[in-house]
Parts: sequence; C-alpha cells; structure tokens
Amino acid sequence: SAVISQKPSRDICQRGTSLTIQCQVDSQVTMMFWYRQQPGQSLTLIATANQGSEATYESGFVIDKFPISRPNLTFSTLTVSNMSPEDSSIYLCSATRGTSYNEQFFGPGTRLTVL
Amino acid sequence: ILNVEQSPQSLHVQEGDSTNFTCSFPSSNFYALHWYRWETAKSPEALFVMTLNGDEKKKGRISATLNTKEGYSYLYIKGSQPEDSATYLCAFEGPTGTASKLTFGTGTRLQVTL
Repeated sequence: SAVISQKPSRDICQRGTSLTIQCQVDSQVTMMFWYRQQPGQSLTLIATANQGSEATYESGFVIDKFPISRPNLTFSTLTVSNMSPEDSSIYLCSATRGTSYNEQFFGPGTRLTVL
Repeated sequence: ILNVEQSPQSLHVQEGDSTNFTCSFPSSNFYALHWYRWETAKSPEALFVMTLNGDEKKKGRISATLNTKEGYSYLYIKGSQPEDSATYLCAFEGPTGTASKLTFGTGTRLQVTL
C-alpha cells in the first residue's frame, strides 16, 4: 500500500480567493487523481494528474478552475480558483501503482468551506 | 452517465447487531466493483475488489457478495461494533483501458452505538 498525506486538512476561505492543496505519496506511484465530494453527493473524479504534462479533466471540470500540477512521481497539487460557496467540498487525492484502478489509495482529504 | 446507487443512505444499529447494505450498478461493461470504508477525518480504506459474478469475499466480520448479471453487491457486517461506524462506499469500475474510471455511489453511513 501507499501512504498519502494532504495539506491542508481543512480550510475556511473567502469567496473569490484561491486555495492550493498539496498531495504527497510516500513512494513512487503510476497514477494520481483528484476527487471532490460535495455535501450529500458522491465522490466525483475531477481529473487525472499526469507527470510532466497537463492533467486530464473529466466532463464538467476545467483547467482554469482547477489547475493541477504533478512535477514528479510522488507529488501533486490541486488549486481551487476564484472560489464560490459551491466549491465547499472535501477534496481527495488518490494514487495507484498499476495501470488499472485496482488498489487505489486515498489521502485523508481536505475539507474546504467557502464563505 | 453511470448510475451507482447505495441504500440505505444511513443506518443506525446497536452493538452486536448484524447489518447489510446494497450497491446497485450497471450490469453492462462491468470490470470490477470496489468497496471502501471511510471514517471521518481518515483516508478511505479499501475493503474489497470484486470481479467475478458470484464472488464472495470476507475480511473479519465483514463480507461482500457480487451479482454482475443483475447489477448489485451486498456488504454484510456481522456483530457490529462501534469501530465499524463509518461511511461505506462502493465504486463501479468499467473495462480496463484509459477510459476506465471509478464511479462512486453516495455511500451508506453506518453508526453503531453501545
């Protein structure tokens, strides 16, 4: 298994500001992902973070709103830009060593509240 | 859009009770069904990955079954304990390849009291 840490664990932000969430894995992984869980909703994939290239975004998510970096095999960041109260969610980072989605490991999440 | 549904949405049982909940998912283009346990302020923990119709998996007091033809999976907890209190998530995985993704249900929130 892999241990994944996220910073910050929670934050309260003002509307219109941006927050960058960091994800650190304790060992090299193949794929890294970012998910969001809005209140009462299911965990939804935002994007796949690709090392050294632009992330692959899911339908409904765009790079201008959720820029993602992955400079190496163990680290990624997600920025939530120009925040609104609708962005209040738990944001989770995950990773897998294989090319399939088996054994996907998750971080503890970042709980974001936007006022 | 894939539809993965879990029921009930929440459940409150007493210590020692046995309980079960359901995950329903599309029966076509199935590759795997994942179960996770997610305790508050912790990382979701993988419980099972199930791939074959009729599969049954067990981990301690927790077990799961899979029916891919009708598109459902059951998770059972025998003799619930307070430490079982968590949200249980299922996730549908489609065929392998770059298009495969995990589609999650909304979860079943279990609370076990003394």
